Amino acid sequence: GAVVSQHPSWVICKSGTSVKIECRSLDFQATTMFWYRQFPKQSLMLMATSNEGSKATYEQGVEKDKFLINHASLTLSTLTVTSAHPEDSSFYICSADDTGGTEAFFGQGTRLTVV
Amino acid sequence: QQQVKQSPQSLIVQKGGISIINCAYENTAFDYFPWYQQFPGKGPALLIAIRPDVSEKKEGRFTISFNKSAKQFSLHIMDSQPGDSATYFCAASGTEGNKLVFGAGTILRVKS
Repeated sequence: GAVVSQHPSWVICKSGTSVKIECRSLDFQATTMFWYRQFPKQSLMLMATSNEGSKATYEQGVEKDKFLINHASLTLSTLTVTSAHPEDSSFYICSADDTGGTEAFFGQGTRLTVV
Repeated sequence: QQQVKQSPQSLIVQKGGISIINCAYENTAFDYFPWYQQFPGKGPALLIAIRPDVSEKKEGRFTISFNKSAKQFSLHIMDSQPGDSATYFCAASGTEGNKLVFGAGTILRVKS
């Protein structure tokens, strides 16, 4: 089956710094990737849709200048949390559509803790 | 606005029993209804999915029942095992590819 890999699995950063999270489709090309955010004991909330070669589409209420998304190739999308604050601490998960767009494959998630 | 409503919030089932989780949706443009299983600290993994052209789909111990007129679908886990203890999410997507809308989740605990 298709594999989506996120890196890092967990990261701790100081308040005010920026953190980059990578999402890679390992054995397929993904023109579209999605970034989700999940708080403890809550559901996944879509943050943005990442399209290869074009600007990401952000969901209402998500600050595009704070959560920078780059989808420079068909196998890699990155999410950069800029000027991180403790309230940005969360579990960030990406997913990628397979070639036919019939199924979304999820990464293992990245636990971000801002101290 | 929550487009997919999931219940119950939590569920305790005896080993060997049937676990049933229900979801209801509002958007009639949805045409793909997957169920995901998530263990703590991990990303969600697809369990089983259904499209509106069928009313039921079974894969091993997992069955989805789908009622298009009622805009409801449910997950049945037969012969539930302690290893099934996890959080289960229903989801739906429609015309925007695999842009998924998730239910609130159900924490399942299977007692041995």
